[in-house]
Amino acid sequence: GAGVSQSPRYKVAKRGQDVALRCDPISGHVSLFWYQQALGQGPEFLTYFQNEAQLDKSGLPSDRFFAERPEGSVSTLKIQRTQQEDSAVYLCASSSGSGRTEAFFGQGTRLTVV
Amino acid sequence: GESVGLHLPTLSVQEGDNSIINCAYSNSASDYFIWYKQESGKGPQFIIDIRSNMDKRQGQRVTVLLNKTVKHLSLQIAATQPGDSAVYFCAENGSSNTGKLIFGQGTTLQVKP
Repeated sequence: GAGVSQSPRYKVAKRGQDVALRCDPISGHVSLFWYQQALGQGPEFLTYFQNEAQLDKSGLPSDRFFAERPEGSVSTLKIQRTQQEDSAVYLCASSSGSGRTEAFFGQGTRLTVV
Repeated sequence: GESVGLHLPTLSVQEGDNSIINCAYSNSASDYFIWYKQESGKGPQFIIDIRSNMDKRQGQRVTVLLNKTVKHLSLQIAATQPGDSAVYFCAENGSSNTGKLIFGQGTTLQVKP
C-alpha cells in the first residue's frame, strides 16, 4: 500500500497476556519509529530502527516491551505480561531518511488491557 | 528537562476565520519543528515543518512561525474550514541523528459552521 499499515487496529488483551503489534512501513523507508499515545496525550517515543538496526530504545517503558525489525522492513512491537497501564494507542511511523525528514504515521493499534 | 507544550487545550473558531495555535518549547538546542494534525481514530498527519534557521514558512493555507528568542512556535490556518477540526500537535526533533520526535499534548481545534 501507499501508506504505513498497522495491524490489528484494535486489540483487547487480558492482563498478563502477551501481545504482538505489527507495522508495515512505506516501502523503501529506512527509518521506523514506534510511539505510544495515551488518551488525551501526545505520542511518546518508544524506539527507533534504521533498517534492521535498533539504534534507540530509550523510550521503552520496561523490559516487558520488545521491538524487532529483522529484515529492515516489517516491524513488530511485543509486549509481554500486559498490564492495565499498557492500554494506549501504539503508533508506527516511517521516513525515507534519518534526522530532519518527514515521518509518515500509521493509523495505530488501540490496545486495551482488561 | 526537555518539553514541548501547548498553551491552550481547546480552540473554537468560526468557519472562515483564521486560527492560530501556539506552542512553547524549552530546549533551546532544538533545530527542527513539525506540526501534525490528528483526526479521531487516525494517526498524526504531517502539516508543515520548519528548521531553526528560518522564522517563517508557508504552505497551503498554513503558516508556521518560529520565534527562537522566546522559544515559541505557532501554526496559523487561514480561512478555517470544518475539515480542519482535529487535534494539532507541535513536535520537536529530539535527535537530529534519528528523527525521534518529542510531542506536546495537543490543542483541539473546533470549527463552528
